[in-house]
Amino acid sequence: DGGITQSPKYLFRKEGQNVTLSCEQNLNHDAMYWYRQDPGQGLRLIYYSQIVNDFQKGDIAEGYSVSREKKESFPLTVTSAQKNPTAFYLCASSTRTAHTPSGYTFGSGTRLTVV
Amino acid sequence: AQTVTQSQPEMSVQEAETVTLSCTYDTSESDYYLFWYKQPPSRQMILVIRQEAYKQQNATENRFSVNFQKAAKSFSLKISDSQLGDAAMYFCAYRRNSGNTPLVFGKGTRLSVIA
Repeated sequence: DGGITQSPKYLFRKEGQNVTLSCEQNLNHDAMYWYRQDPGQGLRLIYYSQIVNDFQKGDIAEGYSVSREKKESFPLTVTSAQKNPTAFYLCASSTRTAHTPSGYTFGSGTRLTVV
Repeated sequence: AQTVTQSQPEMSVQEAETVTLSCTYDTSESDYYLFWYKQPPSRQMILVIRQEAYKQQNATENRFSVNFQKAAKSFSLKISDSQLGDAAMYFCAYRRNSGNTPLVFGKGTRLSVIA
């Protein structure tokens, strides 16, 4: 079955360390997105990529980096510059047909905790 | 920039009753899509309903329906015959109809269902 996989489900990081969250999809979707979710804040866009080898900053990109070397993969690195990285991170993908735009297909998320 | 506002951080409803969740949005675009997503305690995001802005008819999916008021930029979700499984966070989202543009989410409404 096609889907989008995020790993790991739970991640612990020491302060000052970089960490990479994985997001893989086998839906042949062109676009992929990273959101951060904090209590009472909804989902805030970190980065998105509409095609391979191209990506754009979202609303809260500072302290994060991404790459899109393959259509299937869109990893997110949380760097030591991110001041408050503890959060729930959601990856999503989407595609557009000629007539019907889709919403998103979401991964199951990664809970990152800085210890 | 587009914004989505959900003015009710928390709502509750008796089982079998009807509840309406509010959502307003701000955009200068005329062609866009609106969505309601459900996030149960598992944190998996689930698409509940979608509305195309060019359609005057309100979308309906079983017990879920929307009241789309384009001029007022309002997009409320009505849940009829509420069930215990409807308890979740509900997010309203907006997407401009242009390629794979990102969704913009509201901060969410936490719905409790009382048995």
